[in-house]
Amino acid sequence: GAGVSQTPSNKVTEKGKYVELRCDPISGHTALYWYRQSLGQGPEFLIYFQGTGAADDSGLPNDRFFAVRPEGSVSTLKIQRTERGDSAVYLCASSEGGGGYTFGSGTRLTVV
Amino acid sequence: QKEVEQDPGPLSVPEGAIVSLNCTYSNSAFQYFMWYRQYSRKGPELLMYTYSSGNKEDGRFTAQVDKSSKYISLFIRDSQPSDSATYLCAMKSAAGNKLTFGGGTRVLVKP
Repeated sequence: GAGVSQTPSNKVTEKGKYVELRCDPISGHTALYWYRQSLGQGPEFLIYFQGTGAADDSGLPNDRFFAVRPEGSVSTLKIQRTERGDSAVYLCASSEGGGGYTFGSGTRLTVV
Repeated sequence: QKEVEQDPGPLSVPEGAIVSLNCTYSNSAFQYFMWYRQYSRKGPELLMYTYSSGNKEDGRFTAQVDKSSKYISLFIRDSQPSDSATYLCAMKSAAGNKLTFGGGTRVLVKP
């Protein structure tokens, strides 16, 4: 596609529920990143994929968070047993080689 | 202390003025520097990407990097109301791929 697509754009879930957030990167981009942005803050790194494998998952806050990219294109960020503190905008970005990253518009997650 | 510091603003300027933004950082491993613009409820949009110390110009935007002082700047000339947004600096090391962002500066250009 022309840009990075993220679905859903908004997600409201109850505390304790499981959620999946989807990212469709720019076609051909081998690198894919997930970031989390809280209100009034800059994005914080979660995980980086190069192809199908997670090359760096050091930003995942705990084992409730998991991400996959099984075919090297679309990625899914999975959050188990959601907590109110997980409420944030989850951003996905992709890149090809060097240079800057192209971000999607994000998924706004609200845990009530 | 955060690795990247950025004044949150808001910074309010009249239309046509020069907007001056900056970030300081503490990690000397950072080698690549970026500026992103983020409109409300949108993802960050890359404006400038620089590697070496010095100036880089692109249209109304000029990015400056001073690695010796660990200080980067973005200047926006002839500012327009459409420039009203949050501006984020970001940087990464040569070895890594993850970006470290500042907290963002909110800019308001008044007509």
